[in-house]
Amino acid sequence: TQLLEQSPQFLSIQEGENLTVYCNSSSVFSSLQWYRQEPGEGPVLLVTVVTGGEVKKLKRLTFQFGDARKDSSLHITAAQPGDTGLYLCGIAGRGSNYKLTFGKGTLLTVNP
Amino acid sequence: KAGVTQTPRYLIKTRGQQVTLSCSPISGHRSVSWYQQTPGQGLQFLFEYFSETQRNKGNFPGRFSGRQFSNSRSEMNVSTLELGDSALYLCASSLEGGEGTQYFGPGTRLLVL
Repeated sequence: TQLLEQSPQFLSIQEGENLTVYCNSSSVFSSLQWYRQEPGEGPVLLVTVVTGGEVKKLKRLTFQFGDARKDSSLHITAAQPGDTGLYLCGIAGRGSNYKLTFGKGTLLTVNP
Repeated sequence: KAGVTQTPRYLIKTRGQQVTLSCSPISGHRSVSWYQQTPGQGLQFLFEYFSETQRNKGNFPGRFSGRQFSNSRSEMNVSTLELGDSALYLCASSLEGGEGTQYFGPGTRLLVL
């Protein structure tokens, strides 16, 4: 069983549309990270959310951490072809058990 | 500051061979982690090195090993390659590890035939 479930797995939309992708778990997390991975590159950290109910904005991207800190969403407004990529959510372990655990990601394609 | 670099970028091997991948972290970063990315399993943690010591290990067989040098550069070795080892191998560096931000390299794409 995946610790982090991401949905949808694939999403293909037209430029200018809005979209939301989700990251869900049955576990409570102290923080959650969102990454974007473009073809041929490694993941790049977009944001870390820490507080339940927290909303963070990064230009046209809005990230929300659920009140119970078990889920998170990423909303993109007026998507552009440059938003194309694999969106990953991840959590970091604590203390000596440090490692990043990722969901399988949402592969977003924005068509011009 | 230069980013994380990985060499080689692409590699083709045959079953049974071994392979060594290299990662140079961002200058000043002491923690290096390795991840395997496949379409089926996604991104999975292999191991983390800090100050030349393996600090944490994921759930991979002993054929996967690594090391870190005094300049924080790291190598990963896979022995007796299997078809299922075909993947993108990513390394990430951070200042001290832990919950610090990790910066990923572009990866080495390994194809095992």
